Amino acid sequence: AQRVTQPEKLLSVFKGAPVELKCNYSYSGSPELFWYVQYSRQRLQLLLRHISRESIKGFTADLNKGETSFHLKKPFAQEEDSAMYYCAVGSSNTGKLIFGQGTTLQVKP
Amino acid sequence: KAGVTQTPRYLIKTRGQQVTLSCSPISGHRSVSWYQQTPGQGLQFLFEYFSETQRNKGNFPGRFSGRQFSNSRSEMNVSTLELGDSALYLCASSLRGLSGANVLTFGAGSRLTVL
Repeated sequence: AQRVTQPEKLLSVFKGAPVELKCNYSYSGSPELFWYVQYSRQRLQLLLRHISRESIKGFTADLNKGETSFHLKKPFAQEEDSAMYYCAVGSSNTGKLIFGQGTTLQVKP
Repeated sequence: KAGVTQTPRYLIKTRGQQVTLSCSPISGHRSVSWYQQTPGQGLQFLFEYFSETQRNKGNFPGRFSGRQFSNSRSEMNVSTLELGDSALYLCASSLRGLSGANVLTFGAGSRLTVL
């Protein structure tokens, strides 16, 4: 079955602490992995995707095909990083994504 | 350029009624996808339209349907509403066809409450 698992519903850290939001997936074929973010009172928006291999707002994510994971990391959390983060998987050239349940990141001052 | 526009933003219906939601994609985007977001089930894929054709469909009953027009605008319809249909319905558009998977740009959503 195609599935995305984000084991933590809530992750609470202090400002300046490292952050790792976990994502594991189960998907047949060649998956494309994404992280989407939703800040308070804003729309769901793309944070990063694995094929870009870029760092956005200090966040990075490495696709580990052996462990079927795509964890999101940031070395030093900022208060403005507080948001809901969704991991998603899909196939190339399709608008169908399977989303995880989301992880709320709370960065305390 | 203008983002993805969804109308109406909020609506209240009663059980048994039907509802139509509208989505205007970003200019030039030909793919429109619909998602249902609820606290219990999270974000679930409903369907995707590209060039007026349904290309993918999620696991929802036939009461959920959609269509896309020649200008890429899309509508989704839910008939015989049930209480469990209360949700935020999100529309996303993308430039389908480029290398790599679609990058979805989401609208603000239409919040449906069924009483």
